[in-house]
Amino acid sequence: DVKVTQSSRYLVKRTGEKVFLECVQDMDHENMFWYRQDPGLGLRLIYFSYDVKMKEKGDIPEGYSVSREKKERFSLILESASTNQTSMYLCASYAVGGENTEAFFGQGTRLTVV
Amino acid sequence: GQSLEQPSEVTAVEGAIVQINCTYQTSGFYGLSWYQQHDGGAPTFLSYNALDGLEETGRFSSFLSRSDSYGYLLLQELQMKDSASYFCAVRDLGASKIIFGSGTRLSIRP
Repeated sequence: DVKVTQSSRYLVKRTGEKVFLECVQDMDHENMFWYRQDPGLGLRLIYFSYDVKMKEKGDIPEGYSVSREKKERFSLILESASTNQTSMYLCASYAVGGENTEAFFGQGTRLTVV
Repeated sequence: GQSLEQPSEVTAVEGAIVQINCTYQTSGFYGLSWYQQHDGGAPTFLSYNALDGLEETGRFSSFLSRSDSYGYLLLQELQMKDSASYFCAVRDLGASKIIFGSGTRLSIRP
């Protein structure tokens, strides 16, 4: 059974804190993503990675950074959390190969910045 | 860039048929996918159209017309458990990223 695991389901952090969101997948997928989900805005891509140590900005990278030191782990970092980063964060992965676009998602981390 | 437009909400009656549309603007993509997300859950993959035409998987069907930049998800014999949000998505031809639409919340009445 394929699995994408996010380290926390709920997080509450203070403004200005450095926040780490961790994601691990056990499917040996090359591609990993971080999205944030807000009501009415769908899933917006923050960053993605297509290989270890490789990263690409998505549509809303400001205020975020990422780390991919190992193939199975993709971390999202909020350098200095702000209240407008309160959101649901979703990690996803998919395999390279042909036209495959089936992405597998973690259960999400609901982050509240106070 | 890529953008995918969907209606924000659709309401239907149990047992009926509903169609959720997705129009897109993209420079190139592999195909159109659909995902389902129940409240509090993670999105899960439903279907994929690589080519124009209709793909059927049980009660769900998905359609793609590249010439019209349009696709839809068709749900038949609606059940209460189909109440969820549905997202269309494309994988960019030039990169590895997957872009999602804004999502359609489907509400089903008894």
